[in-house]
Amino acid sequence: NAGVTQTPKFQVLKTGQSMTLQCAQDMNHNSMYWYRQDPGMGLRLIYYSASEGTTDKGEVPNGYNVSRLNKREFSLRLESAAPSQTSVYFCASCFGGANVLTFGAGSRLTVL
Amino acid sequence: GQQLNQSPQSMFIQEGEDVSMNCTSSSIFNTWLWYKQEPGEGPVLLIALYKAGELTSNGRLTAQFGITRKDSFLNISASIPSDVGIYFCAGQLLSGNTPLVFGKGTRLSVIA
Repeated sequence: NAGVTQTPKFQVLKTGQSMTLQCAQDMNHNSMYWYRQDPGMGLRLIYYSASEGTTDKGEVPNGYNVSRLNKREFSLRLESAAPSQTSVYFCASCFGGANVLTFGAGSRLTVL
Repeated sequence: GQQLNQSPQSMFIQEGEDVSMNCTSSSIFNTWLWYKQEPGEGPVLLIALYKAGELTSNGRLTAQFGITRKDSFLNISASIPSDVGIYFCAGQLLSGNTPLVFGKGTRLSVIA
């Protein structure tokens, strides 16, 4: 099925370890986004890429880096994981403009 | 950053009852979107609104784009158990091609 695919679905890390969350979309969307979801906090934007070759910070970028590898793929990297980064991460994409986002199923990350 | 005030935070209702939730902001938006998230999944688009005063239905769901452009509401009629989930409003600010701003969500529980 067409859509947004995130890997891994679950991950447990120790403090200080690094990891990369992968996201790919097959809808030929221009824009891609990474959000984190914490209880009672809603969805907070970490980074986004309005088009291939560009990335911008969102509301909560500290501790994260991103790479827009090509039009389909947008990865999120944690260089030195901290317990505060325990969260559910969602990747999303859209054509741009009206920002009607399609979300992936999420990646649940636990940092011990 | 910009904030959307979404209320109520949670609701417990009897099956068959109607539900109403809303989002307000001090800023003007040019797009309002309503999403539903079920457990373990990413948010899924329910309704998109693009014009002030617009009233749009999707089955038992009805949403309106406020005349002031600063608010939106979502109504669910005759609730059923599968309506359970978290409902998010999201808006795109009037100025520029900016990412969506999300409300913190309304958690709906339906008692059969």
